[in-house]
Amino acid sequence: DAGVIQSPRHEVTEMGQEVTLRCKPISGHDYLFWYRQTMMRGLELLIYFNNNVPIDDSGMPEDRFSAKMPNASFSTLKIQPSEPRDSAVYFCASSLALGGHPNTEAFFGQGTRLTVV
Amino acid sequence: EDKVVQSPLSLVVHEGDTVTLNCSYEVTNFRSLLWYKQEKKAPTFLFMLTSSGIEKKSGRLSSILDKKELFSILNITATQTGDSAVYLCAVEASGNQFYFGTGTSLTVIP
Repeated sequence: DAGVIQSPRHEVTEMGQEVTLRCKPISGHDYLFWYRQTMMRGLELLIYFNNNVPIDDSGMPEDRFSAKMPNASFSTLKIQPSEPRDSAVYFCASSLALGGHPNTEAFFGQGTRLTVV
Repeated sequence: EDKVVQSPLSLVVHEGDTVTLNCSYEVTNFRSLLWYKQEKKAPTFLFMLTSSGIEKKSGRLSSILDKKELFSILNITATQTGDSAVYLCAVEASGNQFYFGTGTSLTVIP
């Protein structure tokens, strides 16, 4: 398996534009997570899915953010309209089970660097 | 191929023990190495290391980076049950690319 695949790797967009980030989890993993990493706040969980169903979206900062998982092999995180403060690295991760313990490691994608100007 | 490898995969210790977690990497254009503690869903940031040989400490946790041998260690002294978690290592390369290890699962028994 190629691991968790995110696209694009880099995205530069103008304020107000719609941005869509994509993620392909590892086949067979039932959980998918979207995280945002900034220098100020570190790694924040935005939302996670179990078997394609959103379970906890309490970390989604605003209504401008939405995430979908139409099938087991694909998820999107959309920001509409985007703002400069959304600039961050966005990670997608997948795992077989929930939680960091015991030994339910999450496999991370390489991230999408978003810059909103 | 760029990669980050953590060892051991899992570890079980008794309270009060000292543990050392390892992270080795092969990443082109290295910028920094990060350690996280993952207990539930979101990893908690522990350390960012950019320079070799400079130890970073936070309470009972410490970490050091060796850029010549391409590895880092995370030490936890006087372990407590609350230290039980998965510890993730990630390397940031230029171009804002991140490579994560799959983590070391630590269990601390009372």
